[in-house]
Amino acid sequence: LAKTTQPISMDSYEGQEVNITCSHNNIATNDYITWYQQFPSQGPRFIIQGYKTKVTNEVASLFIPADRKSSTLSLPRVSLSDTAVYYCLVALSGNTGKLIFGQGTTLQVKP
Amino acid sequence: DVKVTQSSRYLVKRTGEKVFLECVQDMDHENMFWYRQDPGLGLRLIYFSYDVKMKEKGDIPEGYSVSREKKERFSLILESASTNQTSMYLCASSTFGNSGNTIYFGEGSWLTVV
Repeated sequence: LAKTTQPISMDSYEGQEVNITCSHNNIATNDYITWYQQFPSQGPRFIIQGYKTKVTNEVASLFIPADRKSSTLSLPRVSLSDTAVYYCLVALSGNTGKLIFGQGTTLQVKP
Repeated sequence: DVKVTQSSRYLVKRTGEKVFLECVQDMDHENMFWYRQDPGLGLRLIYFSYDVKMKEKGDIPEGYSVSREKKERFSLILESASTNQTSMYLCASSTFGNSGNTIYFGEGSWLTVV
């Protein structure tokens, strides 16, 4: 199963764009890339998922280069409420195997 | 919306007690998971199940067992609770699909073993 590596922590200010990069050097052909957000004392919440190039939804964008060995979650104009831990997960489509989360990136948004 | 419900939000148990953590999902998902989460260690997989009565060990199964008698319900059992099992436990479910395997999590169960 592909292992992921993310920065442990990041700081930002309100209104800025935040980019969090995840490395997954041994990603397999059928693997998808998914990002989750977790607030204290809550379960992780799905943010966005992609396979290649760029995906955008109402919350974030996900950029995946051609070699798919990394991905970047982009949060436009963050607010204080975006302070959370962000997890990158690489998972096989339709797999029956276990899904392994990395350590996550703690994003602190300051006023 | 998918809903994963964990029966207990906060529990306090004594060392040696048998503890049951229940989880129910309402989306007919095939896969269900139990994780524990501790500060600095992220989410660690305890057990997962991809079908009724099927189970697979995750990374840290020692001291735990699971039960999946019905598709919607996945129970985590601590046969004899110990203080090092004090943690937040997260249940999750997912389905097979050709467009990625999205996991949906419950709100978590905070277990304190004294």
